[in-house]
Amino acid sequence: QVQLQESGPGLVKPSETLSLTCNVSGGSISTDYWNWIRQPPGKGLEWIAYIYHSGRTKYNPSLKSRVTISLDTSKNQFSLKLTSVTAADTAMYYCARDDSGGKSGNWYFDLWGRGTQVTVSS
Amino acid sequence: SYELTQPPSVSVSPGQTASITCSGDKLGDKYVCWYQQKPGQSPVMVMYQDKKRPSGIPERFSGSNSGNTATLTISGTQAMDEADYYCQTWDSSSYVFGTGTKVTVL
Repeated sequence: QVQLQESGPGLVKPSETLSLTCNVSGGSISTDYWNWIRQPPGKGLEWIAYIYHSGRTKYNPSLKSRVTISLDTSKNQFSLKLTSVTAADTAMYYCARDDSGGKSGNWYFDLWGRGTQVTVSS
Repeated sequence: SYELTQPPSVSVSPGQTASITCSGDKLGDKYVCWYQQKPGQSPVMVMYQDKKRPSGIPERFSGSNSGNTATLTISGTQAMDEADYYCQTWDSSSYVFGTGTKVTVL
C-alpha cells in the first residue's frame, strides 16, 4: 500500500526558501503524477505544482515564479522549493498523488500525505 | 483563472439528505471530484468523474454534474459525515479547488 510522508522544517524566516520533501513508500515514484497542495490555517486548498515521473512539471500560475518541484527516483521522493516566503505562505503543506493524470479527462488526488505545518515567522 | 464556488455551510439533521453544490462556468463540460476533510486530517476523495465512488466510500454518497453546477449528495447523513467538503476540477492545465463547504450534522 502506497504511503506518502512529508518532511521539512516547521519554521521558516521571511524572505528565505521553504524546502519540503515527500517520501513515497510501498510503491514506485516512476509512475503517476506527484503533487504539492497547501492549506492556510482555517482556509481552503490550493494546488501548488505537479511533477510527472518523466520529469515534466506544471505550476500554479499564481506561484510559478517562486516554486520548483523536483523528483529523485533513486530515493523514491519528490521535493518542493518555495522562495521568498512571507507570512502568507504559512500553511499545512500536503503531498498527493494523481494516478489518473488526465486519463478519460480525469485529474484528481487519490492519495494524500498527512501534511506538514510550515510557519513563516522571524 | 477558473473559479469554483461552494456555499460556506450546510446544515442537516441525522438521517436526512445533504446537498452540496459547486458552481463554475460550464462546469458540466468538465469532470468534478469531491474531497471530505475532517478536522486535523488530510482530505479524502469521496467522488470522482462526477459520480463515481472510490472503493470504500459508502453508497450514501452520490454525485451529479450538469450545466454550471455539480452536486454532492449525502443521503441518510450520519454524524460521521460532519466535515469540510471541497469540489475540484481541471482547467487550463491546473487543478482548481472549490471554496469549501462545512457540513454540520445537527
